[in-house]
Amino acid sequence: QKEVEQDPGPLSVPEGAIVSLNCTYSNSAFQYFMWYRQYSRKGPELLMYTYSSGNKEDGRFTAQVDKSSKYISLFIRDSQPSDSATYLCAMSVVGAQKLVFGQGTRLTINP
Amino acid sequence: ETGVTQSPTHLIKTRGQQVTLRCSSQSGHNTVSWYQQALGQGPQFIFQYYREEENGRGNFPPRFSGLQFPNYSSELNVNALELDDSALYLCASSLDYGQNIQYFGAGTRLSVL
Repeated sequence: QKEVEQDPGPLSVPEGAIVSLNCTYSNSAFQYFMWYRQYSRKGPELLMYTYSSGNKEDGRFTAQVDKSSKYISLFIRDSQPSDSATYLCAMSVVGAQKLVFGQGTRLTINP
Repeated sequence: ETGVTQSPTHLIKTRGQQVTLRCSSQSGHNTVSWYQQALGQGPQFIFQYYREEENGRGNFPPRFSGLQFPNYSSELNVNALELDDSALYLCASSLDYGQNIQYFGAGTRLSVL
């Protein structure tokens, strides 16, 4: 079993829809939770990060962490075609060297 | 403030050859990590460098090695290339040792024929 599981999709939604992206994990020691956006043939771009549990909002993006269920989510409101990319969740233990990534979800927003 | 830069952007090698990839960390960042991303997969941690020493390693064989220089830039060296080494190699920098937030470069795409 992988430490971090993420549905690879692909996920296709119409412009303006609310998008929900999710990851589950097995390591209860994870405390940092990150979402990266990766456009085709580019490096991952940090979107948001959360420490421990709770919600964090940044513009159209909301990140949620439920440590009791070992489940994290990223919501995108009013989705735009420019949001079309692969979204990667990543997690780490405090002070650890490595990030552990999910497989990535490929998202397409249709105009 | 400059972000993480990597060179070259694309490289083609043949099996058995050796390759060196380069990375300049984001301004003010002293810790560099390297990741391998196979097509359709998430990045996998190779190793991290801090104060010019390897500080943590993932499940990669010794033919993957690295260096960090006094200016915090870094190199990834891969010897005896195998076909499965074909991937996007990503460099990430973080502000300091133990800082979990990492910022990535655009990567070097390595093709092994």
